[in-house]
Amino acid sequence: DAGVIQSPRHEVTEMGQEVTLRCKPISGHDYLFWYRQTMMRGLELLIYFNNNVPIDDSGMPEDRFSAKMPNASFSTLKIQPSEPRDSAVYFCASSFGSKGDQYFGPGTRLLVL
Amino acid sequence: AQSVTQLDSQVPVFEEAPVELRCNYSSSVSVYLFWYVQYPNQGLQLLLKYLSGSTLVKGINGFEAEFNKSQTSFHLRKPSVHISDTAEYFCAVHKTSYDKVIFGPGTSLSVIP
Repeated sequence: DAGVIQSPRHEVTEMGQEVTLRCKPISGHDYLFWYRQTMMRGLELLIYFNNNVPIDDSGMPEDRFSAKMPNASFSTLKIQPSEPRDSAVYFCASSFGSKGDQYFGPGTRLLVL
Repeated sequence: AQSVTQLDSQVPVFEEAPVELRCNYSSSVSVYLFWYVQYPNQGLQLLLKYLSGSTLVKGINGFEAEFNKSQTSFHLRKPSVHISDTAEYFCAVHKTSYDKVIFGPGTSLSVIP
């Protein structure tokens, strides 16, 4: 398996623009997690899905953030409008079962100017 | 509330010296414990985990960790580090009755030649 795939790997955008981050989990995994990593706040869980259904989005910072998982092989994290403080590395991870090992993607490095 | 503490934010150590990275957690219920490693510009990878059984857990790359229930600790050790061990190390806790994994703030290990 190719592992968790994220795109784009890098994104530079201007404040106010819409940003869409994409994730393809490992085939067969039924949990998908979105994390944000910054120097100040470390690794934060934003939202996670089980069988394509959002289970806990309490980590989503604001209404500007939204996430979807239309099918078992694809998820998006959207920021609209983006702000400079959204600059971070966003990771997607997947696992088989909630207690399973989480496999992380390479991350999307987002810079909002 | 469940939390994970990694007391040392940065640990410099000379090559071939032993190292211990400390992790303490707060939880009144049963937990699973993990150590993840993040190499520069990469996602996190599972290093080792404790689910049950023997309190001494061996992982990849010569690392091991010991679960101490009375001290609520799960310290990571390696008897002799290599330059390639330079990375960020994250301790994580997963309540057995819950889906989310809580990550610690991370410890940056720098191996000095």
